Amino acid sequence: ETGVTQSPTHLIKTRGQQVTLRCSSQSGHNTVSWYQQALGQGPQFIFQYYREEENGRGNFPPRFSGLQFPNYSSELNVNALELDDSALYLCASTPGSGGVETQYFGPGTRLLVL
Amino acid sequence: AQSVTQLGSHVSVSEGALVLLRCNYSSSVPPYLFWYVQYPNQGLQLLLKYTTGATLVKGINGFEAEFKKSETSFHLTKPSAHMSDAAEYFCAVSPLSGGYQKVTFGTGTKLQVIP
Repeated sequence: ETGVTQSPTHLIKTRGQQVTLRCSSQSGHNTVSWYQQALGQGPQFIFQYYREEENGRGNFPPRFSGLQFPNYSSELNVNALELDDSALYLCASTPGSGGVETQYFGPGTRLLVL
Repeated sequence: AQSVTQLGSHVSVSEGALVLLRCNYSSSVPPYLFWYVQYPNQGLQLLLKYTTGATLVKGINGFEAEFKKSETSFHLTKPSAHMSDAAEYFCAVSPLSGGYQKVTFGTGTKLQVIP
């Protein structure tokens, strides 16, 4: 148990739709990161938020966006879904500003785009 | 730029045998290195990490890894495999400096433990 929860656990969408995935971090964890894990691959860094501001981004297009709230919850939004967006989406929280502290991962949301 | 290569997408060992999972990294700056484990339908759990100092790092569940700068390697070992070790293992690298933790993961190694 990492204290990080994600919802929903599974989701099916069709191409072109929009989706919102949610993450609830441990209390006091000011940093949240989101990762996309395609089948058979390692997680890929999407972006990181610190105190409600994005402070780092991987190689993902702008249709991937996020929000972080003061209550240690966060969202990943994906617009104009594509088939290749089908993956497990993981959030991870850390205390502090996201240096090399241990990241605590949630169980993930599995998204299927048809 | 940084990258991680995990040799062997699948590794099988007998229960009680040595576990060796290989990881090589590439980083333009001194790296932080990690090993994570992922059980089916679960998120990732940190096994161990190397930041600075001692190059032999001990982690949870009896695992350890040695940072070898000259070989750019960070192989994961465990002297005696247990059935509960069957899972997928990911090696990851993060730059030593930087305002945020952009972690790059390898593609993973699935460990099968044969009774």
